[in-house]
Amino acid sequence: SQTIHQWPATLVQPVGSPLSLECTVEGTSNPNLYWYRQAAGRGLQLLFYSVGIGQISSEVPQNLSASRPQDRQFILSSKKLLLSDSGFYLCAWRGTQYNEQFFGPGTRLTVL
Amino acid sequence: LAKTTQPISMDSYEGQEVNITCSHNNIATNDYITWYQQFPSQGPRFIIQGYKTKVTNEVASLFIPADRKSSTLSLPRVSLSDTAVYYCLVGMIYNQGGKLIFGQGTELSVKP
Repeated sequence: SQTIHQWPATLVQPVGSPLSLECTVEGTSNPNLYWYRQAAGRGLQLLFYSVGIGQISSEVPQNLSASRPQDRQFILSSKKLLLSDSGFYLCAWRGTQYNEQFFGPGTRLTVL
Repeated sequence: LAKTTQPISMDSYEGQEVNITCSHNNIATNDYITWYQQFPSQGPRFIIQGYKTKVTNEVASLFIPADRKSSTLSLPRVSLSDTAVYYCLVGMIYNQGGKLIFGQGTELSVKP
């Protein structure tokens, strides 16, 4: 069966520090992968998606970036965090039904 | 993706049937209607999807009238564990990179 992992689960970082969040998927090959952010507990915002290795589409211009170095690995990064980057970051992969996505456990990021 | 409108919050009691209605007046011919459930500090979970009439699975039922301009998610005999945010999404993103657009959702609170 397919599983999705994210780490770390929680992270507290100072403003201006770098960020690296990792997402890995098991049990599937060549998945479409997605990064979302959820602030204030509601309304997910799509940040990036990838249809294959090295292919990244950005949905929202900001100080975050994404990379897909391997088929089942998706990384979210920042060179300098802002206070507004705080939130719950979720990675997902697309299932077989039309609008189906499977989400990981998420990373709670607090920028101080 | 079509815009959706759903109530911000709903209250219910254990054992009752809960119906959450979503309006999507601008639904396109190829659009599917999809519902996700999200518990606190977890990623959303796909629960049901339909195109027209009625769809039922082990979790919920989805009722879609002939004009498809609205849909109703029905949760039979809710329990405290059904307390969550429920998102209605409309679109057909299978061949569009798989992007999902989440609105604010309906926060369902089930009381004993």
